[in-house]
Amino acid sequence: AQTVTQSQPEMSVQEAETVTLSCTYDTSENNYYLFWYKQPPSRQMILVIRQEAYKQQNATENRFSVNFQKAAKSFSLKISDSQLGDTAMYFCAFMKQPGNQFYFGTGTSLTVIP
Amino acid sequence: DVKVTQSSRYLVKRTGEKVFLECVQDMDHENMFWYRQDPGLGLRLIYFSYDVKMKEKGDIPEGYSVSREKKERFSLILESASTNQTSMYLCASGVLGSGTRDEQFFGPGTRLTVL
Repeated sequence: AQTVTQSQPEMSVQEAETVTLSCTYDTSENNYYLFWYKQPPSRQMILVIRQEAYKQQNATENRFSVNFQKAAKSFSLKISDSQLGDTAMYFCAFMKQPGNQFYFGTGTSLTVIP
Repeated sequence: DVKVTQSSRYLVKRTGEKVFLECVQDMDHENMFWYRQDPGLGLRLIYFSYDVKMKEKGDIPEGYSVSREKKERFSLILESASTNQTSMYLCASGVLGSGTRDEQFFGPGTRLTVL
């Protein structure tokens, strides 16, 4: 079975600063995907960034980047130049490849302070 | 853009009632999912379906059933609602197993309160 752990239930960051959200996972699979999803208050969950396990290069999407350490089974999300609109719950998720089931962490509530 | 819609944003039901939560997606996705979201517990998978009339149990199927008669629609059924089923329910769909397009698209959620 796969497990995903987010050890930071709540975090805060000043606007324009950088913040890193942690995620670790446990799996015996070699091929898999990792995801960060964002759920703004009272709004739909959307995909922030995706990482394929076979790729050594860390994924980036504008201000969002990941630090993927496969041996350590760690997948952290870095948000640069934090904006008020980044305030949300962030979920880390795992999916083995091939497969169709996601495993989610318990989430980190991020607040960006003006 | 992919659109996943859920029949209600807020629902209040009585203990023992039969409850139907509907989810519709417009992108011809094979896979559809039902999760419940509770504070401190994250998202837990209730059931998923990878084809019409096919269903698979997730991690917490007890007290729930599902129906998928058409590809675009996936229903979650609470046969006899109980107070411990008060939660946020999220529906998702996706084309999984496709490689780089693997992702789940989520609906807005239904906040169900059982009194």
